This record gives sequence, C-alpha cells and structure tokens, in this order.
Amino acid sequence: DTAVSQTPKYLVTQMGNDKSIKCEQNLGHDTMYWYKQDSKKFLKIMFSYNNKELIINETVPNRFSPKSPDKAHLNLHINSLELGDSAVYFCASSDRDTQYFGPGTRLTVL
Amino acid sequence: AQKITQTQPGMFVQEKEAVTLDCTYDTSDPSYGLFWYKQPSSGEMIFLIYQGSYDQQNATEGRYSLNFQKARKSANLVISASQLGDSAMYFCAMREGDQGAQKLVFGQGTRLTINP
Repeated sequence: DTAVSQTPKYLVTQMGNDKSIKCEQNLGHDTMYWYKQDSKKFLKIMFSYNNKELIINETVPNRFSPKSPDKAHLNLHINSLELGDSAVYFCASSDRDTQYFGPGTRLTVL
Repeated sequence: AQKITQTQPGMFVQEKEAVTLDCTYDTSDPSYGLFWYKQPSSGEMIFLIYQGSYDQQNATEGRYSLNFQKARKSANLVISASQLGDSAMYFCAMREGDQGAQKLVFGQGTRLTINP
C-alpha cells in the first residue's frame, strides 16, 4: 500500500530519445510535484499541479512536459534527452502541510 | 541568496550519542513551514518532522526533535540516542508560496555517519 509510487525505478537511455516517468499517489492529495536531484544531491522543484492544473513551472526546458490525467497521477515526459538530464527525479504529493515523496527514478542518459 | 543553509557537509557521531544538524533559513513571509527529510543510501526521501512558523512549541517525533528559534531563523534537527540506521543524508527544507502553489526549497544536505 505504497503512498506515492513511481515507475520505472531506473531508466537508462540514449541521448535524443523520448521517455516518460509515471507517478501515482493513493493519499487523496490534491497537489503533486516533480523534483530533480542532481549529482551533487541538490533537490529543486520542477513542476507542481493542483487538482490537475499546472501551478508551478520553474524555468524547466520545454522538452519536459508534465501531464496529470487525474489528481492521483502526474506523469513526466521528456523529449530529446540530453546528457545533463541525468539525475534522480522525485514525484511528491502533499496535504496542507507536508510533502510525501515517491522512491525516485534514476535516469541515466548515455 | 541561499534560502536554506546547512553548514555541515558531513558529521561523524558515535552510536548512542545525541546529534544536532544545523539549518538556518531566510524568508520575509510570516507564514512558512520547516521540514527535515532523511535520504538513506537506498535513495528514498523520508519525511521526519515538520514545524509551522506559528507553532508555539518545538515539534517532536520519537527520537527526532526540531529546535526552532524563530528570531535566529534556525531550525536545527536533534536526534537523540543515535543508531547505526540513522546514517544517511539529511535535508532541511522550507515551504514557501501560497496554499495550492507551494513548493519546498531545500538545503544542500548533511551527510551523517554513525560509528559503532
């Protein structure tokens, strides 16, 4: 009964490919997020959605496109992958106060 | 300017000792939230403790407590009776933004190692 789940856990792909990461939460939260953790472990928000609507877009290249089919799901699609996209991507969801994170997806672009 | 500062890149502590991880923050909003997350070597981000800016008392969760000093803008995490399983990266974070448009801003993290 995982609260926030992500698939896949690992993703290895070639430069130029398009890939997607899926996220689902069963906590009944209205707000979901994508964060990126770089090689130095620094975490930074990319997007947030509230009830399927995009609320925050933190100057992320438009190769990254989030999609929220319903408030329990927030997927991240990345076009034309670049070496610099290699990172760990975390999905999160929140109630009024606290954000709960998924297990992360480690993306490696070769 | 850094909004969340963790000045200790790494800390080494003997098992069973108490440990304090430092965090200072910078905001002009009267309403904000402060969080600590643990990231073990397996990679997941585990929520530990939350302190709201209007909370009168310091937050506690089991062996974790948050030493909230509002005037000094500090929110240190105290772990009592440390255990080997406490070895991990620890991140301090601040929630900013209006409800529905909130985000977490993270510090650089502190790598805690508990020695047997």
